[in-house]
Amino acid sequence: DTGVSQNPRHKITKRGQNVTFRCDPISEHNRLYWYRQTLGQGPEFLTYFQNEAQLEKSRLLSDRFSAERPKGSFSTLEIQRTEQGDSAMYLCASSLEPGTRSEQYFGPGTRLTVT
Amino acid sequence: AQKVTQAQTEISVVEKEDVTLDCVYETRDTTYYLFWYKQPPSGELVFLIRRNSFDEQNEISGRYSWNFQKSTSSFNFTITASQVVDSAVYFCALCSMDSSYKLIFGSGTRLLVRP
Repeated sequence: DTGVSQNPRHKITKRGQNVTFRCDPISEHNRLYWYRQTLGQGPEFLTYFQNEAQLEKSRLLSDRFSAERPKGSFSTLEIQRTEQGDSAMYLCASSLEPGTRSEQYFGPGTRLTVT
Repeated sequence: AQKVTQAQTEISVVEKEDVTLDCVYETRDTTYYLFWYKQPPSGELVFLIRRNSFDEQNEISGRYSWNFQKSTSSFNFTITASQVVDSAVYFCALCSMDSSYKLIFGSGTRLLVRP
């Protein structure tokens, strides 16, 4: 088990471009979460999946953001028409069925810079 | 609404000193979970501990110890005999079934351990 992986680690894009990030969770984990972290702040929840179903989206997730988790394995987060305010670290985490084992394990993140 | 407050923005200590990181939380849920994560300069969030709301027993793991007090809604983290490698940002977080187990993070405490 290699833990949660994310690609790319860094992405620099020009305003208005579309970007897509990928997250590969720990294999036996059926829950997958996306968070966003800006400088000096704690991570903020964006959305989560239970297997392939997207069950909740934060108000932070504007209609320019879309996430998928086909077949309940890896997930992608796409941002369309990027804005400078989208610059942040995008973190993916996975966990077992929540309850007594609800700890989430995080990937290394994708740092997005919009110029 | 749920909230986590880490009032200490930054703490600086000399190696071998003991240091306590404070965490105060707010929730109306009767069953919830508290966490501490470490974020070293590399950026990846590392899970340290999970505590269930129905288990107020304090925990010790090596140089780390955690003091959970429901009466004061606090979940403090103490590092004994700090080391330079402990330098990082530490986040306290909260989740519950009623909030879909999404993590609510505090703003973090940056710990600097000087040699």
